[in-house]
Amino acid sequence: DIQLTQSPSFLSASVGDRVTITCRASQGISSYLAWYQQKPGKAPKLLIYAASTLQRGVPSRFSGSGSGTEFTLTISSLQPEDFATYYCQQVNSSPFTFGPGTRVDIK
Amino acid sequence: EVQLVESGGGLVQPGGSLRLSCSASGFTFSSFAIHWVRQAPGKGLEYVSAISHNGGSTYYIDSVKGRFTISRDNSKNTLYLQMSSLRPEDTAVYYCMREIYYSGSRWFDPWGQGTLVTVSS
Repeated sequence: DIQLTQSPSFLSASVGDRVTITCRASQGISSYLAWYQQKPGKAPKLLIYAASTLQRGVPSRFSGSGSGTEFTLTISSLQPEDFATYYCQQVNSSPFTFGPGTRVDIK
Repeated sequence: EVQLVESGGGLVQPGGSLRLSCSASGFTFSSFAIHWVRQAPGKGLEYVSAISHNGGSTYYIDSVKGRFTISRDNSKNTLYLQMSSLRPEDTAVYYCMREIYYSGSRWFDPWGQGTLVTVSS
């Protein structure tokens, strides 16, 4: 199975900050990676697929990059509604594993 | 509106059984593979199972193989997850998600709201 790690596991940031989350895969997965946002008590919401394609309706302050084994999710200017937990998921091969998550809290 | 709605969760004793349902609307259900993911209380997301658009192919993670069965009824736009020999570690919110596959890539959208399964005596 492909393992995903995320760093940091927790970050504290202020509104307006630029935030970057990294996801690393245990083996190359080309661009087969998605990012999700989850708020407490809610289902995850797709933000980005194919490593860098923004899902329709997702604000342009979110962006994704990377290929192979290293990927990043960037929020260019953190907004109050962005405080949540973010997960990466590899969709290269079954099982389609998730990273452990990065919780973004208000500083 | 494209929507998935799970149901069937509840409290069950260890060793017991439960059947989850995932009802789809707003899209041609029979054209899409569907997946199950679970989330234990306070924990991260764990991929569990999948079924192809016509039910001809299924997948399970090792920890549920032989205990869980995924199936679908395309005439009813409904997906099922039959869970048996349940263990306390199966306690989680279970989500179903639609797979979109295009040009070699795939992603999951939307997700249902989830249904809570609690395995406890």
